[in-house]
Amino acid sequence: QKEVEQDPGPLSVPEGAIVSLNCTYSNSAFQYFMWYRQYSRKGPELLMYTYSSGNKEDGRFTAQVDKSSKYISLFIRDSQPSDSATYLCAMSAGGGADGLTFGKGTHLIIQP
Amino acid sequence: DTGVSQNPRHKITKRGQNVTFRCDPISEHNRLYWYRQTLGQGPEFLTYFQNEAQLEKSRLLSDRFSAERPKGSFSTLEIQRTEQGDSAMYLCASSPPFGGYTFGSGTRLTVV
Repeated sequence: QKEVEQDPGPLSVPEGAIVSLNCTYSNSAFQYFMWYRQYSRKGPELLMYTYSSGNKEDGRFTAQVDKSSKYISLFIRDSQPSDSATYLCAMSAGGGADGLTFGKGTHLIIQP
Repeated sequence: DTGVSQNPRHKITKRGQNVTFRCDPISEHNRLYWYRQTLGQGPEFLTYFQNEAQLEKSRLLSDRFSAERPKGSFSTLEIQRTEQGDSAMYLCASSPPFGGYTFGSGTRLTVV
């Protein structure tokens, strides 16, 4: 079992829909959780950064962390075709010094 | 400051040759990381610098790989005697002491 599991998709939804992306993990030491968006042939772009359990909202994006279930989610409201990309979850135990452990990424397609 | 800069963007080399990549991080960030990403996978941690000190190295970083960060500013990643399995995107990221990473656009290495 990999430390971080993420469904690679592709996930295809119509424009305007609410998108739900998820990751599960096995290492209970993880405390810092991130979501990145990656367009083809580009580096990952940080979308959300959270510490421990709870919710965080930024514009159309909401990140949720449930440490008891070892489960994190990213919700995208009012999805746009420009949101089409690969979404990577990432996490670490020590805030970065130990390196991030990434999921494989979910390929998201927003249909106009 | 325009973010994390990586050069070159793309490198094609023959098997057995040595290659060197450069990363210029965001100037205020004292932490610098190298990751490797292959198609369909999330980035994998290679190594971490805090200022000029290399504090963590992944087991993925074989003895053919070496990284430096002289004076705690830019960093270089050298691969000696390249192999076809080294073909990947090499990503550099930097971060402040607490916070998400900012990634560069990466150097795509193709070993022929």
